[in-house]
Amino acid sequence: DAGVIQSPRHEVTEMGQEVTLRCKPISGHDYLFWYRQTMMRGLELLIYFNNNVPIDDSGMPEDRFSAKMPNASFSTLKIQPSEPRDSAVYFCASSLGEGYSQHFGDGTRLSIL
Amino acid sequence: AQSVTQLGSHVSVSEGALVLLRCNYSSSVPPYLFWYVQYPNQGLQLLLKYTSAATLVKGINGFEAEFKKSETSFHLTKPSAHMSDAAEYFCAVSGAPGGGNKLTFGTGTQLKVEL
Repeated sequence: DAGVIQSPRHEVTEMGQEVTLRCKPISGHDYLFWYRQTMMRGLELLIYFNNNVPIDDSGMPEDRFSAKMPNASFSTLKIQPSEPRDSAVYFCASSLGEGYSQHFGDGTRLSIL
Repeated sequence: AQSVTQLGSHVSVSEGALVLLRCNYSSSVPPYLFWYVQYPNQGLQLLLKYTSAATLVKGINGFEAEFKKSETSFHLTKPSAHMSDAAEYFCAVSGAPGGGNKLTFGTGTQLKVEL
């Protein structure tokens, strides 16, 4: 079975540009999570969805960040405008439900110059 | 609120030695507990999980963890370390009322295995 698929794997762009990260969860999973990982702050939950509906976006750092899940098989995380401090690895994960483990994608390594 | 504390951000063991990675949790309700492993340039991979069925949980790659309610601990062990075990390990907790399936992660422990 295909796991969680993220694209792109690497993104390098200049400050001020719009960045869109994409995620395809495992088919049948009801929950989708976006995380950010940095050396300084570790793993941070940004937002999660249940049945395509955002449930908790308290981890989204600023209005520059937005996330959507238009259907059960696709989600995007957008940063506009991007800043150097947004440089991090962004992970998407999905799971069946409460008590079930989360399955992670391989992440998008984002560098903002 | 739920939280986990991982003692030791870096642990170094010799190949063949016991691996012990410590995790203590805080939760007002019976928790779900997880250990994940992250290899360089990869996502997190589930090692094992505790969901109240048994206090001793066996996972992949020879790892196991024991849930001790009295100590609020969920330490990860492996009898004999292998070079391929070098990675970062994360303990996580979920199960808070109204928390959905949200995981709270510890800060991670980097395991180094030396010859």
